[in-house]
Amino acid sequence: DTGVSQNPRHKITKRGQNVTFRCDPISEHNRLYWYRQTLGQGPEFLTYFQNEAQLEKSRLLSDRFSAERPKGSFSTLEIQRTEQGDSAMYLCASSLEQGTSGYTFGSGTRLTVV
Amino acid sequence: GENVEQHPSTLSVQEGDSAVIKCTYSDSASNYFPWYKQELGKGPQLIIDIRSNVGEKKDQRIAVTLNKTAKHFSLHITETQPEDSAVYFCAASNRFWGGGADGLTFGKGTHLIIQP
Repeated sequence: DTGVSQNPRHKITKRGQNVTFRCDPISEHNRLYWYRQTLGQGPEFLTYFQNEAQLEKSRLLSDRFSAERPKGSFSTLEIQRTEQGDSAMYLCASSLEQGTSGYTFGSGTRLTVV
Repeated sequence: GENVEQHPSTLSVQEGDSAVIKCTYSDSASNYFPWYKQELGKGPQLIIDIRSNVGEKKDQRIAVTLNKTAKHFSLHITETQPEDSAVYFCAASNRFWGGGADGLTFGKGTHLIIQP
């Protein structure tokens, strides 16, 4: 296992379309997080899962956003009816519930809404 | 909620010199403070972290100090090298269970430039 994998790396979509991103965490990590990062800013927390349970959602996660982690392994983040303001880098991270390793981030999916 | 301020936004130092990046936080309940390095086109990489029961932590050329009273923490990089050039982010959280914290609040980043 080489780290957190995110697909696709880049996505260009037209305003109003739906998009879905996938994250494969490090296999033994039971916590999975989604963050959004816009140009020149630090990542902003969106939501997190412990195993398959979604335990927290940020106020940034509007009704157009939905995240799932059905079997406690990979996760998907879907954005419905995309808007230009959704253009950002979407980062996934994973961590162990116990331990001192902290988060491991993936390389992200860069979304451009045109 | 938590607010993290990071300074400076850009820092240029000569190779071999030291670099210091400072962050302040607002939530006195914050107890976990990681630092991340982000290179172009990549996700942030954890380089060092500190918990509130420790005042200082060092890992080779990198050190972090925490002043809970003043609610600020700093990253120190000594003997800087060209590969240290990147954007560095500090973060804070008031929740952790032995390992990674949830809902990290990040600063806006510092672009560190190492001049040869």
